[in-house]
Amino acid sequence: QVQLVESGGGVVQPGRSLRLSCAASGFIFSDHGMHWLRQAPGKGLEWVALISYEGSSKYYADSVKGRFTISRDNSKNTLYLEMNRLRAEETAVYYCAKVADSSGYSHYDLWGRGTLVSVSS
Amino acid sequence: DIQMTQSPSSLSASVGDRVTITCRASQGISTYLAWYQQKPGKLPTILIYAAYTLQSGVPSRFSGSGYGTDFTLTISGLQPEDFATYYCQEYKSAPFTFGPGTKVDIK
Repeated sequence: QVQLVESGGGVVQPGRSLRLSCAASGFIFSDHGMHWLRQAPGKGLEWVALISYEGSSKYYADSVKGRFTISRDNSKNTLYLEMNRLRAEETAVYYCAKVADSSGYSHYDLWGRGTLVSVSS
Repeated sequence: DIQMTQSPSSLSASVGDRVTITCRASQGISTYLAWYQQKPGKLPTILIYAAYTLQSGVPSRFSGSGYGTDFTLTISGLQPEDFATYYCQEYKSAPFTFGPGTKVDIK
């Protein structure tokens, strides 16, 4: 079954860290760029980060640059997002998404169901 | 960074209506544009990519057009299942900005 399953969300205090995972199955994970996106409650979609198919190229939204790190383990078919120094305004559902090609510069043809991150004291 | 705007931010329409949503990029993005539909509590789903290419399985009443900075999503004959929020997104370069969304609801 072609799917992405996120995990690792939860309640965390401001300033603390959290690591999200996204397990891929049903397709050749190592052939595709992968992205993280988020959506705050009642708000629109926000792009967070991109990693190329082999992991050599990474890009971040300005709002998370220097605090978040995207990575992947192609041997485990898993994508990660390490989030440090979290802020209250980063409370959101975090989605991983598969890009239609290897470059990472394409539309999303598969989304995970999301994992909720709540940053609150 | 490329900024994306959408208009209108919301609209009310009736079943059978023709609906047009506009998306504008702050700089030229060729056809590196996608349209997504999101229903409340659901995942976004791809409708159109490369500005005008219909995703497999998406009804033909959805169509996209445009190039450079100005793009349009058209729904020809609105159906009850089309009431949702629609987002455009550029993917020419990071940060792959989404438009703020257009909510389509029932008149």
